[in-house]
Amino acid sequence: GAVVSQHPSWVICKSGTSVKIECRSLDFQATTMFWYRQFPKQSLMLMATSNEGSKATYEQGVEKDKFLINHASLTLSTLTVTSAHPEDSSFYICSARGTGTSIVGTQYFGPGTRLTVL
Amino acid sequence: KNQVEQSPQSLIILEGKNCTLQCNYTVSPFSNLRWYKQDTGRGPVSLTIMTFSENTKSNGRYTATLDADTKQSSLHITASQLSDSASYICVVSAGNNRLAFGKGNQVVVIP
Repeated sequence: GAVVSQHPSWVICKSGTSVKIECRSLDFQATTMFWYRQFPKQSLMLMATSNEGSKATYEQGVEKDKFLINHASLTLSTLTVTSAHPEDSSFYICSARGTGTSIVGTQYFGPGTRLTVL
Repeated sequence: KNQVEQSPQSLIILEGKNCTLQCNYTVSPFSNLRWYKQDTGRGPVSLTIMTFSENTKSNGRYTATLDADTKQSSLHITASQLSDSASYICVVSAGNNRLAFGKGNQVVVIP
């Protein structure tokens, strides 16, 4: 149980275009979803936290107009990188937290999406 | 500031040998500590989770220890296999559900 999927697994786009990444909880309802970015040999950096039906909360330094997050249902959250630039190239990982878990901080991670902006 | 430091940054071990990875943290308040395995180009997969009162937890050939007094944890890999080649990430959860991530220990197992 507690499977999280991401689509696509990798994407290459031209500079200036927008890219949408989907994150789905397959077998549980995710009341909260998290989006992380990971550069090579670095730790995961939290970008934003989204609760179903409400606006996402962005971490300091993350441009909310550039990284649009939508959490419209209990099983789907999307991250749209708008007007992508080469410096946005990174590994994007989502995680989800559902109801019913009593263990603080439990998040189930997706497999990640490799974004390369040319 | 909540920090998680891991050492060594990377290591190479022979197949069949054991190794131990270290994690020191300054997260407060402390809720629990997890070790994840992250294969290249994949998301993290949970190996163990320990709360304040637990000082050891095993998952197959992986054994994690926790000393909450010194704020140190270790992950021991027994009889390493080629498939153990990955990054091992120490993640500490504070009481507010926020996670503090280490940079990971990069393990390469060679035949």
